[in-house]
Amino acid sequence: DGGITQSPKYLFRKEGQNVTLSCEQNLNHDAMYWYRQDPGQGLRLIYYSQIVNDFQKGDIAEGYSVSREKKESFPLTVTSAQKNPTAFYLCASSIKARIAAGGAVNEQFFGPGTRLTVL
Amino acid sequence: AQSVTQLDSHVSVSEGTPVLLRCNYSSSYSPSLFWYVQHPNKGLQLLLKYTSAATLVKGINGFEAEFKKSETSFHLTKPSAHMSDAAEYFCVVRESYNTDKLIFGTGTRLQVFP
Repeated sequence: DGGITQSPKYLFRKEGQNVTLSCEQNLNHDAMYWYRQDPGQGLRLIYYSQIVNDFQKGDIAEGYSVSREKKESFPLTVTSAQKNPTAFYLCASSIKARIAAGGAVNEQFFGPGTRLTVL
Repeated sequence: AQSVTQLDSHVSVSEGTPVLLRCNYSSSYSPSLFWYVQHPNKGLQLLLKYTSAATLVKGINGFEAEFKKSETSFHLTKPSAHMSDAAEYFCVVRESYNTDKLIFGTGTRLQVFP
């Protein structure tokens, strides 16, 4: 059964603590993404990776870090430098877009999300 | 720069009546547009996508959307709402033709009353 899994479903963090959110996919997708979702807002991109051992900052990367050591896995660490980490975090993956005009339109597939709460 | 604007933050309909969720886009190239649905505390699921092959796009669960270049719109419709359609809907545009990066609208919450 192919898909994207995220764990844990709920996560609680104390002030000053780093936490790591897991994201795994068995879709053989090249690209993976992390988004943050806050109430009343759309999704905002934190980090993305188009290939193993490479990743780029998104729009709100400060206070977060990622790694991409395996194609299947893209964990997100929320560090103590992130001042307002309480949010719903979504991981996604997609087949890497072809770099050409009129390239394939590849949708992103989303995991079920992790809700992080700071105590 | 590409962007999408969802014109309504909340829409309420009665079961069995039509649904209209409005989305306008801004794009400097022929855009790739998507509608996603999110049920409470769940991930997002793709409803449909526009790829310039046809202006009327049919998706899952009876939804469809029409791309209107003259109006820069990509509104989502369904002829008859079902209780299970109650969810948050996101209009999304691809950032550019050579990337999978997406730009999300702020969402429209659809309520369906019996």
